[in-house]
Order: sequence, then structure tokens, then C-alpha cells
Amino acid sequence: DAGVIQSPRHEVTEMGQEVTLRCKPISGHNSLFWYRQTMMRGLELLIYFNNNVPIDDSGMPEDRFSAKMPNASFSTLKIQPSEPRDSAVYFCASRYSGRTDTQYFGPGTRLTVL
Amino acid sequence: AQTVTQSQPEMSVQEAETVTLSCTYDTSESDYYLFWYKQPPSRQMILVIRQEAYKQQNATENRFSVNFQKAAKSFSLKISDSQLGDAAMYFCAYEGASGSRLTFGEGTQLTVNP
Repeated sequence: DAGVIQSPRHEVTEMGQEVTLRCKPISGHNSLFWYRQTMMRGLELLIYFNNNVPIDDSGMPEDRFSAKMPNASFSTLKIQPSEPRDSAVYFCASRYSGRTDTQYFGPGTRLTVL
Repeated sequence: AQTVTQSQPEMSVQEAETVTLSCTYDTSESDYYLFWYKQPPSRQMILVIRQEAYKQQNATENRFSVNFQKAAKSFSLKISDSQLGDAAMYFCAYEGASGSRLTFGEGTQLTVNP
């Protein structure tokens, strides 16, 4: 079975540009999570979807960040405009059904904003 | 808010020896889950082991086992017969009753010496 798929794996962009990160959850999973990993803040949840509906977006840093899940097999995290402090590794994770299941992580996208 | 603390930024162990990684957490909830994730240089987050708070028996997965002390809010990971492939960053994580997010510790970098 394919795991969580993220693209691109690496992204280098210039400040002010729009960045779109993509995630395909494991088939059959109905919860999807976006996390960010930085040296300063560690791993932190940005937003959480359940059945394609955003449930908790309290971790989204500011209005420059937006996330969508148009269907059960695809989600995007967009940063517009990007800033150097957005440089981080962004992980997508998914799981099936309720909280009793484990979150499975994708390989991450390393974003560098120059 | 829940917090997770890993007091050992770095640990080292000789190949074939045993090592224990420490984790403490703070919560007012009685029902929750605890996890250890491994992050090798590839940066993929890999689930090592999970523990349900309502279970008194400590979880075990092959060479990996935990010592879960609910009253002390302690959740340590023991790796037996350490292998070179165990070298990685290890994260302790908490998921509470809401089931919406993992709260991670700062991580412990494990080095395995041949």
C-alpha cells in the first residue's frame, strides 16, 4: 500500500512568491493533518481536516497560510506571499476514522524561502 | 495545554547494548495516547510504538518497549540490542481526548556506535 504522498519533496523559492504544497493521504483515511517542523519551534500542528472539513486551524500562523481539502484524496497548503521565516519542513499525516488510530506521516516537503 | 518534555537532547549507545530515552508530559486528562516516533536522516517520521493510557501493560514492539508510569506522567522508551539503523532523532508525542493533534517533545538524537 502506498503511504502518504507529498509533493514536491524540496522547494526553493524567493520571498514574496506563492508556494503550494500537496498531499495525498492514504486511501481510506478520512483525517488529514498538516505539521511544520523548525529548529526553533519543533513539530507543530498547523491544521486538521476530518472528512474534508477543517476542524482545527488554530496553528495556522497567519493569513498568508491557507489549506484546502477539496476531496478525500487531496489537500494543499498554500503560502502567499512567502517569507524567509516560512522555511521549514512541512509534513502531511493521515489516519482512519477516530482518535484510536495512529497518524501516518508523509516524507515531508523541505521549503526554503530566500 | 499539554506539554511534552524530553530532557536528553542527545544520547549514545554501543551497538548491541540497551538504551533508554526519557519523556515526561503534563496533562489534566485521564484518557490519552502516547507515541514514540523515529526520524532518521531521511526525515521520514516513523511510528515506533504507541501506548493507550487506560492500559496498565507496557507496550512492546520487538526490540522496543516502553515504561509507562501514569501517576508520574512518565513514558520512557527502551531499545534493546541496539543496531546501527536505530540511529535517529526520537520524538515522544501525546494525543489527548480531543484526538485532533499530536503534541511533540523536543526530540532526542540517538547515536549508535559500532
